[in-house]
Amino acid sequence: NAGVMQNPRHLVRRRGQEARLRCSPMKGHSHVYWYRQLPEEGLKFMVYLQKENIIDESGMPKERFSAEFPKEGPSILRIQQVVRGDSAAYFCASSPRQGLGSNQPQHFGDGTRLSIL
Amino acid sequence: GQQVMQIPQYQHVQEGEDFTTYCNSSTTLSNIQWYKQRPGGHPVFLIQLVKSGEVKKQKRLTFQFGEAKKNSSLHITATQTTDVGTYFCAGGYSSASKIIFGSGTRLSIRP
Repeated sequence: NAGVMQNPRHLVRRRGQEARLRCSPMKGHSHVYWYRQLPEEGLKFMVYLQKENIIDESGMPKERFSAEFPKEGPSILRIQQVVRGDSAAYFCASSPRQGLGSNQPQHFGDGTRLSIL
Repeated sequence: GQQVMQIPQYQHVQEGEDFTTYCNSSTTLSNIQWYKQRPGGHPVFLIQLVKSGEVKKQKRLTFQFGEAKKNSSLHITATQTTDVGTYFCAGGYSSASKIIFGSGTRLSIRP
């Protein structure tokens, strides 16, 4: 009865490297959300995906950040050429099918703590 | 645009005192959800309110949804150290398929 699985739990990168964060949603969930959280701050929405589709990427920075949720395999949040300001906790959440105004609860993973040296 | 405001940002109480956090939306909500995040942990879903004026209870926690479906509150009676954490509300709208999180209220407790 696995929940939302995120890996790695901790990731250290040097400035300029690439960071890949993975998220496997709960069984039966087809919707994935990525959030960013700075220490002692709130959840900042980044992107909302369904299988093979980006539904809403209004919270994604225009450059260096991308996300995908392929037909097979986990959702990936990719950060290219990381900078110190990318250091944060990145949470993935999943939910069953959503409809307009009929929102299902989101189930969160343990997060990936990204540190940039 | 749709926005969910949450206050206060922080609340520090003596153990045994009550605690309340409030959420307000500029436009009518279709539903509101509440989440709790323990220090170092991840957000965990607590409850969802859908009906105007709805009140739900979970032990010492009371959740309310306003009559106009534009505000909500979470009240904890007689706080305990296990209540420590950040409480987030998240609003759903009929025109959107994702929920909008409030900024959270961080509760700390003096034993």
